[in-house]
Amino acid sequence: GAGVSQSPSNKVTEKGKDVELRCDPISGHTALYWYRQSLGQGLEFLIYFQGNSAPDKSGLPSDRFSAERTGGSVSTLTIQRTQQEDSAVYLCASSLGGTSRTDTQYFGPGTRLTVL
Amino acid sequence: ILNVEQSPQSLHVQEGDSTNFTCSFPSSNFYALHWYRWETAKSPEALFVMTLNGDEKKKGRISATLNTKEGYSYLYIKGSQPEDSATYLCAFWDTGNQFYFGTGTSLTVIP
Repeated sequence: GAGVSQSPSNKVTEKGKDVELRCDPISGHTALYWYRQSLGQGLEFLIYFQGNSAPDKSGLPSDRFSAERTGGSVSTLTIQRTQQEDSAVYLCASSLGGTSRTDTQYFGPGTRLTVL
Repeated sequence: ILNVEQSPQSLHVQEGDSTNFTCSFPSSNFYALHWYRWETAKSPEALFVMTLNGDEKKKGRISATLNTKEGYSYLYIKGSQPEDSATYLCAFWDTGNQFYFGTGTSLTVIP
């Protein structure tokens, strides 16, 4: 079946603009995860959803970042008033979600965000 | 922020060699440890999820062990092949719903 998809694959924006990144999980997967990899850095966990709720939002880098998930499927990561340090590859993953922290996660191809 | 450390940072081995790398994590508040393989220009691929002290997992020529009391996990690759070239990441879930990644071990297998 189809894997995790993310859109757009690339996004170039100007500093101060808002951006929305979208993640479509594998059908039937109830858990969804967001990560980012900044240039030269490791993978950073941002947030995860079990169904439509996020148990802990403290991994989001600042209050300019928000994430939501509706209908237990698609998730959107929104970055308001983008800054150059937000430039990164944003990865999404999904899992079956019975026990989110021990599930095997399946990753999407990522969205490369460049803030000029 | 917790430290998850991986060593070595990079490794070059000859085809056919066996190799291993280490992931160190805090032994307190342990919930689960994940291993991933991340090839250039691809997405991370899950290898193992480990939860129990003393656990051993195997997938083909790759295996992993877990020691939660002392806070480390080893990943072993037997008879390395060029297609094993990738960055190997470990990640630690704590009991507080946070997921911390190591910086990875970059493996290059020379034909």
